[in-house]
Amino acid sequence: GDSVTQMEGPVTLSEEAFLTINCTYTATGYPSLFWYVQYPGEGLQLLLKATKADDKGSNKGFEATYRKETTSFHLEKGSVQVSDSAVYFCALSPYPTNTGNQFYFGTGTSLTVIP
Amino acid sequence: SAVISQKPSRDICQRGTSLTIQCQVDSQVTMMFWYRQQPGQSLTLIATANQGSEATYESGFVIDKFPISRPNLTFSTLTVSNMSPEDSSIYLCSVIGQGAYEQYFGPGTRLTVT
Repeated sequence: GDSVTQMEGPVTLSEEAFLTINCTYTATGYPSLFWYVQYPGEGLQLLLKATKADDKGSNKGFEATYRKETTSFHLEKGSVQVSDSAVYFCALSPYPTNTGNQFYFGTGTSLTVIP
Repeated sequence: SAVISQKPSRDICQRGTSLTIQCQVDSQVTMMFWYRQQPGQSLTLIATANQGSEATYESGFVIDKFPISRPNLTFSTLTVSNMSPEDSSIYLCSVIGQGAYEQYFGPGTRLTVT
């Protein structure tokens, strides 16, 4: 079945360091891929998305490219800030391959950025 | 995008009692979802709530423990019944955005059972 495997954390970086959080997926069709962020004490917010192969999602300096050949959707940011400290979730939606609305989430990666 | 609110934002409850969580969306949506996020864990789908029909529960979740109501296209409730400390979690409601490409989440209800 469809699934998402996400790099385990926690990750601790110094401010202005480069960030990569790995995410790979398994899907039978052509899923849409997402990164969600959860700040302390809050719900999940959509960070970025890509709906087809080679699409690049970007937002707030974060980027991720949908790589069908490697079934990956790694999250990157060139220079992290303390305010980026949060838990990041990779997610997959089989839509539009099928009409189901089930989203599959990775286990989450906790990021702490220190000044 | 959809704006979702949840009430209460947090609660501390006694073992054996029940808590009803409300979820309100600022637009009409066909499907609403309820998730549980246990401490340090990812999200687990509890059930899908369609307006006018019974909720569909995922494996491991039953209606007697987590009854759901969906009286209209903008509102749903989840009740956590006969609570035990193992029910201490964040409970999140979500909806699918237009085109079904995105899922939007409420801020969550942080439940602690003592």
